[in-house]
Amino acid sequence: KQEVTQIPAALSVPEGENLVLNCSFTDSAIYNLQWFRQDPGKGLTSLLLIQSSQREQTSGRLNASLDKSSGRSTLYIAASQPGDSATYLCAVLRGNNRLAFGKGNQVVVIP
Amino acid sequence: EAGVAQSPRYKIIEKRQSVAFWCNPISGHATLYWYQQILGQGPKLLIQFQNNGVVDDSQLPKDRFSAERLKGVDSTLKIQPAKLEDSAVYLCASSLSRGSTEAFFGQGTRLTVV
Repeated sequence: KQEVTQIPAALSVPEGENLVLNCSFTDSAIYNLQWFRQDPGKGLTSLLLIQSSQREQTSGRLNASLDKSSGRSTLYIAASQPGDSATYLCAVLRGNNRLAFGKGNQVVVIP
Repeated sequence: EAGVAQSPRYKIIEKRQSVAFWCNPISGHATLYWYQQILGQGPKLLIQFQNNGVVDDSQLPKDRFSAERLKGVDSTLKIQPAKLEDSAVYLCASSLSRGSTEAFFGQGTRLTVV
């Protein structure tokens, strides 16, 4: 069974600092890994999708890396802003399109 | 491109009542997921459809939960009877097909059982 772990569960950073969020998974046989953002009471918004053959993906201030062999992904958010406050979830896609989630990193950016 | 549509957005019911949620996936998406997200936790897969067939319902409490996806498009998730511990956000997602495609989520339905 695929286990997805996100550390830390919660963190607070001052505005302008870089954010580093970690995701680990136990089974390296994945098709892709997706990072999502979730605002309170809302659904999930896809941020970045990394295919299993890729090492990283970038979108604006966001960069996500993937190391399949060690079962790890890291999401970097550069120069954090108060609007980045949210919960960030990672999910791995396995065979039969099974999508398994971690519990999330709850982020607060302090102005 | 229209996103995944869910309704209702919010629902409050008493325990032992029944409730139904509806999901309309993105047009052409063969895979449809229902997730349950309890406050403070990550989403837990309840059921996954590929077209109108069930791929995985291993975590669906079948004594009270049911889901269907008629004609391989819209889907409904029903709870009957509801318990207090069913209070959660129910998320619907869809993706294009098997393989390494991106999943898109709806806004979710927040259920409160009192």
